Amino acid sequence: EVQLLESGGGLVQPGGSLRVSCAASGFTFGSYTMSWVRQAPGKGLEWVSAISSSGAYTYYADSVKGRFTISRDNSKDTLFLQMNSLRADDTAVYYCAKKKGDAFDIWGQGTMVTVSS
Amino acid sequence: QSVLTQPPSVSAAPGQKVTISCSGSSSNIGKNYVSWYQQFPGTGPKFLIYENHERPSGIPDRFSGSKSGTSATLGITGLQTGDEADYYCGTWDSSLSAWVFGGGTKLTVL
Repeated sequence: EVQLLESGGGLVQPGGSLRVSCAASGFTFGSYTMSWVRQAPGKGLEWVSAISSSGAYTYYADSVKGRFTISRDNSKDTLFLQMNSLRADDTAVYYCAKKKGDAFDIWGQGTMVTVSS
Repeated sequence: QSVLTQPPSVSAAPGQKVTISCSGSSSNIGKNYVSWYQQFPGTGPKFLIYENHERPSGIPDRFSGSKSGTSATLGITGLQTGDEADYYCGTWDSSLSAWVFGGGTKLTVL
């Protein structure tokens, strides 16, 4: 079964750091571009970042550029998002998503990140 | 404010048809493929439509997509109570070099 499973969310203070992970299974992880998409409570979807299949190319939304770093370990079929200098408006459910062509065909169940003192 | 504009809500009776619009610009919808996603409360989004009008395997033909110029539309026929969900459009914005989504539309099946 094709599956993405996020983990690592939690409560962090403003200015703090957190790394969330996404474990992939059921497909050839290293062949696909992967993304992180977040959803603040009661709000819509917001694309955060993407990484090419090899990891050579990365892309970020302006709202997280310079603070977040996306990476992947193709030997372990795992995607990461390192989040630094966290702010209250980073509070959201973070989803990882597999890119197929010009769409996201597989999504995880999400991991909640809460930034609060 | 989302780059792509969707109506906040739509509603229709069971068995009827509904359409959800998604309006963008020449740098996003006007230039790139549109996809659509369905999301139930507390769950991750589900892939519904890709390349403007194509349906992934397993998606019933009650769901359809179209695109004209800088706008796209999701159509759902034979509405069922199980279709009540939030629906999002998405595409790449070539000017922003970023993926963009609509603000989402809540479908109510009365």
